Amino acid sequence: EAGVAQSPRYKIIEKRQSVAFWCNPISGHATLYWYQQILGQGPKLLIQFQNNGVVDDSQLPKDRFSAERLKGVDSTLKIQPAKLEDSAVYLCASSLRWGLKTELHQNTEAFFGQGTRLTVV
Amino acid sequence: AQRVTQPEKLLSVFKGAPVELKCNYSYSGSPELFWYVQYSRQRLQLLLRHISRESIKGFTADLNKGETSFHLKKPFAQEEDSAMYYCALRSPGRQLTFGSGTQLTVLP
Repeated sequence: EAGVAQSPRYKIIEKRQSVAFWCNPISGHATLYWYQQILGQGPKLLIQFQNNGVVDDSQLPKDRFSAERLKGVDSTLKIQPAKLEDSAVYLCASSLRWGLKTELHQNTEAFFGQGTRLTVV
Repeated sequence: AQRVTQPEKLLSVFKGAPVELKCNYSYSGSPELFWYVQYSRQRLQLLLRHISRESIKGFTADLNKGETSFHLKKPFAQEEDSAMYYCALRSPGRQLTFGSGTQLTVLP
C-alpha cells in the first residue's frame, strides 16, 4: 500500500516568512498526526486529528502555527511568521484508529512520512 | 505527565556482541510501549510493541512495570542494525510520546 506522502521534502526560508507543509495520509486512516523533530531530539507531537476534528493541539504554538484537515483526508501545517527555532523536520503520520482499546492493536500503529526538513535563516 | 527517557544518545557495539538500548518511562497506569527505528535515509517505522510480545529482526523488549523500563535487546548485533532507535509511550486516549533516541552503531 502507498505510504504517507509529504511535500516538500526540503524548504529554506528567511525568518518572519511563512511556510506550509502538506500531508496525504494512508487511505482510510482516520487519525493524522503532525510532529516536530528538532535536531538531536525525539519527535514532539504538535497536533493530532481524528477525521477532521482536532484531538490534541496542546503543544502547538498557536500564535504562529496552524493546521487543518479539511474533509478528513489531506492536511496542511502552516507557520506564520517563522522563527529561527522552528528549524526542524516536520513529520506527518497516520493510523487507522486512535487510542481505542481494541484487540487489533495494529490499528493504532502510526505510519510516518519522510518528513519535511525546514531551515529558517 | 508522561515522559520517556533514553539515557544513551550514542551506543557502539561490535558485530556479534549483545546490545541493549535502555528506555525508562514515567506514567502512572498501564501504558502502551513501542520501539521505533529509523535507518539511514528512511522513514521512522515501528519495530515492535510490548503488547505483541514478539521478536522482530532478533530484537525483543520486555516491559518491567516495577522499574518502569522497556529496554530493547538483541543477543547478536548485526551491521544492518545500525540506526536511530526511539522508545515511545502512549497512555489510553493520549498522545504518542517519544524519547530523544539512541544512535546505534554496529562496528564490523
